[in-house]
Amino acid sequence: GQNIDQPTEMTATEGAIVQINCTYQTSGFNGLFWYQQHAGEAPTFLSYNVLDGLEEKGRFSSFLSRSKGYSYLLLKELQMKDSASYLCAASPYNTDKLIFGTGTRLQVFP
Amino acid sequence: NAGVTQTPKFRILKIGQSMTLQCTQDMNHNYMYWYRQDPGMGLKLIYYSVGAGITDKGEVPNGYNVSRSTTEDFPLRLELAAPSQTSVYFCASSYSFSAEQYFGPGTRLTVT
Repeated sequence: GQNIDQPTEMTATEGAIVQINCTYQTSGFNGLFWYQQHAGEAPTFLSYNVLDGLEEKGRFSSFLSRSKGYSYLLLKELQMKDSASYLCAASPYNTDKLIFGTGTRLQVFP
Repeated sequence: NAGVTQTPKFRILKIGQSMTLQCTQDMNHNYMYWYRQDPGMGLKLIYYSVGAGITDKGEVPNGYNVSRSTTEDFPLRLELAAPSQTSVYFCASSYSFSAEQYFGPGTRLTVT
């Protein structure tokens, strides 16, 4: 089967670092995506990991370990505008679609 | 370059009514998707298409139909609307299944 798990909610302070975890149970997948979704808006693409390791993009980094069935999104130097939901999604082998987790709602406080 | 556009933005339907949600993309993407998102939940795939004339079911296709006569357009049809179809509907497109998906602004549908 295919299942993607993320924490439901997280809180953090402006300027801090936060790590949002994503664990998945799937027989195999092409890659793992992270999307950001502000309240009332559409999701927007953040990152895509195919190979194990860390991908860095400015304040955001994403990590993948296929052997551990685990990914995380790391947000540094948090800003108030980072308050949003963060969706983890996997593209299973031999399919043309994404399976999304339920998302992690991050609240950043001053 | 408008990206992915959806109409309408909001709609209220009575139980048993039908409607079509429109989706158009101008990026010449072959892959298009329809998702629904219930409050506090992730995205559930309804239908998708890998090119004009080709469509396939996603996780929650019951109560919906799609067609893909052109590369640009991917309308979603609701027949006999039910309260369980109250949701936000997002259309998305991508260059390939392993590429980032671009989402439209969404349609908020209420069925009462």
